[in-house]
Amino acid sequence: QVTLKESGPALVKPTQTLTLTCTFSGFSLSTTGMRVNWIRQPPGKALEWLARIDWDDDKLYSTSLKTRLTISKDTSKNQVVLTMTNMDPVDTATYYCARSHGDYVLTAAAFDIWGQGTLVTVSS
Amino acid sequence: DIQMTQSPSSLSASVGDRVTITCRASQSISDYLNWYQQKPGKAPKLLIYAASSLQSGVPSRFSGSGSGTDFALTISSLQPEDFATYYCQQTYSIPFFGPGTTVDMK
Repeated sequence: QVTLKESGPALVKPTQTLTLTCTFSGFSLSTTGMRVNWIRQPPGKALEWLARIDWDDDKLYSTSLKTRLTISKDTSKNQVVLTMTNMDPVDTATYYCARSHGDYVLTAAAFDIWGQGTLVTVSS
Repeated sequence: DIQMTQSPSSLSASVGDRVTITCRASQSISDYLNWYQQKPGKAPKLLIYAASSLQSGVPSRFSGSGSGTDFALTISSLQPEDFATYYCQQTYSIPFFGPGTTVDMK
C-alpha cells in the first residue's frame, strides 16, 4: 500500500522559513521514473503546484515561487523535504505531497497518490 | 507557463443528471491532461489521466475526452457522492491546475 504523509509546523511567523517533510511508504524514490511533488491550497482556493523531485535527483520548481523553494530527498529515510523562505500570510494553506511517475505514455505523470495534507498558518 | 481555464466555475445538478465540465489549455498539451475530484477537507483524488484513461477503482460513469487544448470531463449519471470540486491539470510542462469547478446539489 502506497502512503504519503506531510509533517511540519502548524504555525510560522512572517519572514520565517517553512520546512515540510513528506514521509512515504510503499514505493522507493530510487526506482526509475518515480517522483514526489508538493502542492498547496489556500483556504477556499484552488490547487497550486510548487515543486517536484525525481528519482535521479532532478528538480523542478514553480516559476513564480522558485526563488523561495528548495526541494531535497533522503532516499534511505523515504522522505522528501520542502523549504520555503520568507513566509507571508498569503502562504497560509494546506500543503500536500503527492506521487507521480515520469512515464508519460503510461501515466501522463498524473498524481496518483496524495498525502492527507498539513495546514500551515502564517501569522505573527 | 501553460495556463488552464475551466468552465463553468460552478454548477448545480440533480442526482441522475449528465454533467460535463470543460477545461482549456493556453497552448497545445497533447493529451497530458488529468482530472481530480476533491471533497471538503480531503486530498484530491485522481479520476482520469492522459485525457481519457480511467484511474483504477474509479466508477465508469466518469469519462474524459479531448486533445490539444480542449478537454472535457463527463459524469454520465450524477450520484450523491459526486458532489465535489473537480480540477483539471496539465503535465505537459511545469504542472498547472485549473481553477476548479464545484458541482453542488440543485
